[in-house]
Amino acid sequence: SYEVTQTLSVSVARGQTARMTCGGNNIGSKNVHWYQQKSGQAPMLVIYKHKNRPSGIPERFSGSNSENTATLTISRVQAEDESDYYCQVWDSNFWVFGGGTKLTV
Amino acid sequence: QVQLQESGPGLVKTAQTLSLTCTVSGGSISGGVFYFSWVRQPAGKGLEWIGRIYTSGITNYSPSLKSRVTISVDTSKNQISLKLTSVTASDTAVYYCAREGVGAYSRYEDSFDIWGQGTVVTVSS
Repeated sequence: SYEVTQTLSVSVARGQTARMTCGGNNIGSKNVHWYQQKSGQAPMLVIYKHKNRPSGIPERFSGSNSENTATLTISRVQAEDESDYYCQVWDSNFWVFGGGTKLTV
Repeated sequence: QVQLQESGPGLVKTAQTLSLTCTVSGGSISGGVFYFSWVRQPAGKGLEWIGRIYTSGITNYSPSLKSRVTISVDTSKNQISLKLTSVTASDTAVYYCAREGVGAYSRYEDSFDIWGQGTVVTVSS
């Protein structure tokens, strides 16, 4: 089955840029979605189909996807961005989530 | 505004069947082109997709859970149900339902755009 590997943790200071990756074999050929999950809350979509932001998501959030790595970038990180982030891809007949990246601000 | 709400027993005995319901409010299940998925999350761990159902009743299941899972839809009640048989302590988790768009029919492609708040299920003897 398809596997995706996420950076375990990322730590940045407020105002800096956070980058977290989602690795998988030829993931660049798949749609990748990203979710933010704050402590005790349900996940929330922040990026869909590699690089698109849903309504209400700040422009600071961006995504890219190429070859074997998808990347979620958060510019000008705020304290409120401290969360777990999960990537998601579709493989044949089922969804696969990455193990999650913990962002510490 | 569509909302999802999970409900069901918070405690299930080992070897029994876990049964949960996801009630959709603010819109009809059959009024659009959507899948509805179940996702679970053990305490302190990541997200695990369990399976999904299309409003027509077509299902897909996680290979690791397929032998124990049944997902069904009741359009008259606007509900999606999850049954997981022969549960063990490793099935203890927060269980979420989520709405999934269908490609170009959806505002956000096939991502999970709406999630329920989740319900905690503990499996114990």
